[in-house]
Amino acid sequence: QKEVEQNSGPLSVPEGAIASLNCTYSDRVSQSFFWYRQYSGKSPELIMSIYSNGDKEDGRFTAQLNKASQYVSLLIRDSQPSDSATYLCAVKGDQAGTALIFGKGTTLSVSS
Amino acid sequence: SQTIHQWPATLVQPVGSPLSLECTVEGTSNPNLYWYRQAAGRGLQLLFYSVGIGQISSEVPQNLSASRPQDRQFILSSKKLLLSDSGFYLCAWSQGWNYGYTFGSGTRLTVV
Repeated sequence: QKEVEQNSGPLSVPEGAIASLNCTYSDRVSQSFFWYRQYSGKSPELIMSIYSNGDKEDGRFTAQLNKASQYVSLLIRDSQPSDSATYLCAVKGDQAGTALIFGKGTTLSVSS
Repeated sequence: SQTIHQWPATLVQPVGSPLSLECTVEGTSNPNLYWYRQAAGRGLQLLFYSVGIGQISSEVPQNLSASRPQDRQFILSSKKLLLSDSGFYLCAWSQGWNYGYTFGSGTRLTVV
């Protein structure tokens, strides 16, 4: 059973701090990795994708991937109250016929 | 640009009644289409995916079924709903297997 694990939280950070969200996955041959943001009562929104080891930056967001450790993380710099949401990690295996597997998500709360 | 439409937004149905949820995508052709369910306290569970008209793959045995009568239309159905079918149903599309998914706005189904 392929799994994606996330700490459910809540992760609480003050406004302006760096929020660090972590995710581990069980399928060693996974190739594609995604972070989604889901506000309460809304559908998930894709915010980052990463395919290679290392860091990928997009504005205040940085995704980090370490395939050897089967670990992917999301850093949010200068956190804002509007970043308060549940963040879902999603992983795609290496076979064409497989869909994304999602973690249960980490709830982030940014206090002003 | 591509858009995905999903309706209805909310639905309250009695146990044993039928179900039909519809999803359509605009602005693209031959998308991969997906149905996920998100139950309270649980992650996103893949129900069905489709790579083309009439091609449906089921991930979880249950009393739900899916159909793809047109290239950009995906329908989720049930003949008799169970209480356990309650949840947030999400349709999504992607350009291919290694791309992130774009979700519709979701249908919140309550079976009473």
